[in-house]
Amino acid sequence: GQNIDQPTEMTATEGAIVQINCTYQTSGFNGLFWYQQHAGEAPTFLSYNVLDGLEEKGRFSSFLSRSKGYSYLLLKELQMKDSASYLCAADHNAGNMLTFGGGTRLMVKP
Amino acid sequence: GAGVSQSPRYKVAKRGQDVALRCDPISGHVSLFWYQQALGQGPEFLTYFQNEAQLDKSGLPSDRFFAERPEGSVSTLKIQRTQQEDSAVYLCASSREGTGGSEAFFGQGTRLTVV
Repeated sequence: GQNIDQPTEMTATEGAIVQINCTYQTSGFNGLFWYQQHAGEAPTFLSYNVLDGLEEKGRFSSFLSRSKGYSYLLLKELQMKDSASYLCAADHNAGNMLTFGGGTRLMVKP
Repeated sequence: GAGVSQSPRYKVAKRGQDVALRCDPISGHVSLFWYQQALGQGPEFLTYFQNEAQLDKSGLPSDRFFAERPEGSVSTLKIQRTQQEDSAVYLCASSREGTGGSEAFFGQGTRLTVV
């Protein structure tokens, strides 16, 4: 079956850097999505990695290692509004399936 | 439309009642997904459509759950004889073509509470 693991909760300080890790085991893996979800709201797209390496987009960067089945989301210069759940999702089965991890709830403290 | 629209936003059902949840995807999006999200958990896959064809329904928890997308646009998720364990947020997402590099856009969900 599919297995996607990420930490349940993390806490970080405003202005700091935090790295949220995700490991996955899926069949027919295509790529790895990261979504942000504020409480009571819809998940919103942050990044998609299909090739190995780091992709930077403003304060957020995402890394993928296909050989290790590993990804991380890096958030820099944390702001209070970054407090949310961060969902790692594997795009697999030839692009016909998007399977999510349990989400990492990030709390940013002053 | 501008985004994925789901209705109702909130639904309270008595145990045993049937419910129907509606999803209006982004116009022209081929793929449509339904997910179930329990409080504090990630979304769990229920079913997937490509146009009107239901290509995968392996995530539907029981035969009380049924989804359709008859004309390849609007989709309805129906739950018959609701049980308390069905209480969750039901999320709908659409994407241009599959998920292979095509971002999935989510609706705000329907929060179902079975009492």
